[in-house]
Amino acid sequence: GQNIDQPTEMTATEGAIVQINCTYQTSGFNGLFWYQQHAGEAPTFLSYNVLDGLEEKGRFSSFLSRSKGYSYLLLKELQMKDSASYLCAVKSQGNLIFGKGTKLSVKP
Amino acid sequence: DAMVIQNPRYQVTQFGKPVTLSCSQTLNHNVMYWYQQKSSQAPKLLFHYYDKDFNNEADTPDNFQSRRPNTSFCFLDIRSPGLGDAAMYLCATSRVTFSEQFFGPGTRLTVL
Repeated sequence: GQNIDQPTEMTATEGAIVQINCTYQTSGFNGLFWYQQHAGEAPTFLSYNVLDGLEEKGRFSSFLSRSKGYSYLLLKELQMKDSASYLCAVKSQGNLIFGKGTKLSVKP
Repeated sequence: DAMVIQNPRYQVTQFGKPVTLSCSQTLNHNVMYWYQQKSSQAPKLLFHYYDKDFNNEADTPDNFQSRRPNTSFCFLDIRSPGLGDAAMYLCATSRVTFSEQFFGPGTRLTVL
């Protein structure tokens, strides 16, 4: 079967660092996406990993370990506007499977 | 600005009354997708087109149909909406199938 797991909710403080984990069990793997989705809005692309390692893009970084079926999204210097859901999505065998997302709340 | 546009943003229909949602893009992308997203759930892919080649997900109900008359436009037809079809419907595009996707703002469908 195909399964993607993310924590349902997380809370962090403005200015802090937060790590959002994603584990997956899929038949095949061709890449992993992270999307940000503010409440009531469409998802927007954050990152794409296909090889193991860390991809850094400004305040956001994404890590992938294919052998462990594991990825994380790291958000640094958190801002209030980072309050949103973060969706992990795995590309596998001609399909794209989304996780249910992690709702991040950033507190002052 | 190149973008993905969905109309209307909010749609109310009656139980069993056909409804059509529309999506257009100015990105000139080959691939267009329709997703259904219910509250606090993952977006669920209904179907996608690579150019005119239609790909239906195995578990997409027959009640849902789609048309792509040209590169820029794609429509989602719900033939007989049920209460369980109330959701946000997201249109997305990409250059290549399942590469980085660009989403429209979504149409929130209410079924009375």
